[in-house]
Amino acid sequence: AQTVTQSQPEMSVQEAETVTLSCTYDTSESDYYLFWYKQPPSRQMILVIRQEAYKQQNATENRFSVNFQKAAKSFSLKISDSQLGDAAMYFCANRGSNYQLIWGAGTKLIIKP
Amino acid sequence: DTGVSQDPRHKITKRGQNVTFRCDPISEHNRLYWYRQTLGQGPEFLTYFQNEAQLEKSRLLSDRFSAERPKGSFSTLEIQRTEQGDSAMYLCASSVGDLGTDTQYFGPGTRLTVL
Repeated sequence: AQTVTQSQPEMSVQEAETVTLSCTYDTSESDYYLFWYKQPPSRQMILVIRQEAYKQQNATENRFSVNFQKAAKSFSLKISDSQLGDAAMYFCANRGSNYQLIWGAGTKLIIKP
Repeated sequence: DTGVSQDPRHKITKRGQNVTFRCDPISEHNRLYWYRQTLGQGPEFLTYFQNEAQLEKSRLLSDRFSAERPKGSFSTLEIQRTEQGDSAMYLCASSVGDLGTDTQYFGPGTRLTVL
């Protein structure tokens, strides 16, 4: 069975600094996809970044980048130059061949002004 | 492209009542998903449709839950004889494309409170 673990229930960072959110996963599939979604308070889930498991190059989207360690089954999210608008719950998710997403429990990110 | 919409946004009901939620996906998205999210947790998969066909159902989806997507466009999720444990946020998402390009886009959710 696929599982996703986020071991940090809450993280805080000073505005303009860098923070890394951790995620580990387990899957028996050889071809899968990993995602980070952001859920601001009382707002909908928004895709932050995705990574194809067959690609060795780490995905980047502006201030967001991942550190994908396939052998270690680790998929961390780095947010550079943190902004107040980055405050949200961040969820890591894994998707295999059956299209459904398997989610972690989330990490609450607090940005200190 | 107006995004995924869900109706209602909030529903309060008494235990034992039936409730129905609606989801309108992004137009031309052929896949539609339902997830349930309880407070402080990540979403849990309930079911998904490809066009009008319901292809997969989680064991979480008891016989009190039923979902339909009659014309391959909007979908409804019905919960019969609601229980307090059904209180949660019900999320809908839609997507299109093959496995390599498929990304799920989420609606704002329907928050259900069962008294």
